[in-house]
Amino acid sequence: DSGVTQTPKHLITATGQRVTLRCSPRSGDLSVYWYQQSLDQGLQFLIQYYNGEERAKGNILERFSAQQFPDLHSELNLSSLELGDSALYFCASSPEGRTPYGYTFGSGTRLTVV
Amino acid sequence: GENVEQHPSTLSVQEGDSAVIKCTYSDSASNYFPWYKQELGKGPQLIIDIRSNVGEKKDQRIAVTLNKTAKHFSLHITETQPEDSAVYFCAAFKGAQKLVFGQGTRLTINP
Repeated sequence: DSGVTQTPKHLITATGQRVTLRCSPRSGDLSVYWYQQSLDQGLQFLIQYYNGEERAKGNILERFSAQQFPDLHSELNLSSLELGDSALYFCASSPEGRTPYGYTFGSGTRLTVV
Repeated sequence: GENVEQHPSTLSVQEGDSAVIKCTYSDSASNYFPWYKQELGKGPQLIIDIRSNVGEKKDQRIAVTLNKTAKHFSLHITETQPEDSAVYFCAAFKGAQKLVFGQGTRLTINP
């Protein structure tokens, strides 16, 4: 157990729908990162939050949004879902926001859009 | 921005032999290079990392080498075992608050 908790583990939904993925970082970690892993795309960085504020943005679609709450858990919202959004979504956390030392991944949420 | 290329995409070796995975990066300012192992159904797990002020680091059967001049770094696994079978990712970081990952290498250890 890495200490980073992601729920749900699996999600199946229809095109056009909206889903929310949840991540609880390791105790004491202030930074949360979201990654998308498609079959042949490797790990694509989506967005980072540090202590409640957006710190860095990657290849995140406008249909996707995220936030980090005062208790430091984070949610990734995916809307107007398309078949191509089917992927593994990983959350990682680290103690601070400016270095990746101690970067730990959760087990991921597998999203299937049908 | 940073770009990380990883080779090979698949690698099959006999149990007991060595495996080498190579990565190149584009930004000479990158200063931290971790390697992650991802087993089926699990998230990536850090197995070893190296900072730009050293050329080599070892941890039991795993070693990483870094050539800053050529901008490449490699993962070496010796005396491979079946449990080493997994997907391995390299990554690079230069202070832009995110790791940039290679495309991954699927390593298969044949008994």
